[in-house]
Amino acid sequence: EVQLVESGGGLVQPGGSLRLSCAASAFTFSSYDMNWVRQAPGKGLEWVSYISSSSNTIYYADSVRGRFTISRDNAKNSLYLQMNRLRDEDTAVYYCARGGTTARPIWFDPWGQGTLVTVSS
Amino acid sequence: DIVMTQSPDSLAVSLGERATINCKSSQSVFYGSNNKNYLAWYQQKPGQPPKLLIYWASTRESGVPDRFSGSGSGTDFTLTISSLQAEDVAVYYCQQYYSTLLTFGGGTKVEIK
Repeated sequence: EVQLVESGGGLVQPGGSLRLSCAASAFTFSSYDMNWVRQAPGKGLEWVSYISSSSNTIYYADSVRGRFTISRDNAKNSLYLQMNRLRDEDTAVYYCARGGTTARPIWFDPWGQGTLVTVSS
Repeated sequence: DIVMTQSPDSLAVSLGERATINCKSSQSVFYGSNNKNYLAWYQQKPGQPPKLLIYWASTRESGVPDRFSGSGSGTDFTLTISSLQAEDVAVYYCQQYYSTLLTFGGGTKVEIK
């Protein structure tokens, strides 16, 4: 069964940094594009970032561009999100979600269980 | 950015009755070159991550019950649950992938009347 497991969430002060990880299993990770999607408490879904299978193409939402960096290590079947200059409004559950195999963003399937990031002083 | 607007925000439907959720995009998500609408639907139950239901506006994901169907084209789309079951209580989201800046609708909460 395809599995995505996020880790690295926690409590951080405004202006601080955090690095999220997503461990993938049971599929050929290096063939798939990947994404981060977040959900603030009690709110809807917001796409954060996309990375193609070879890391050649990367996109960010306007709300995080310049502060967050997505990366991946295909040898370790892992996806990452480095989050810098964190703000209160970055508080959310962050989901890792698989994309397609065409180096173009599409739908998300499947999703991990998520990791909670809380930005507060 | 393409803005996705869902309606209603919530609806209550009796068991066995039809539930209809609407999604409107601020610009067309239809690609004429491949005749496809770049729209997906998700279901999110409380305490769970979202689950893909439908992509290309009307293609049901493997394993999704056939009471779920998607329709529409261009800027106006509909998710229909033909006969609501108790396990369908959830929030439903539409998402466009026409633009590389992906966006979701605000969600529609479906409850039992």
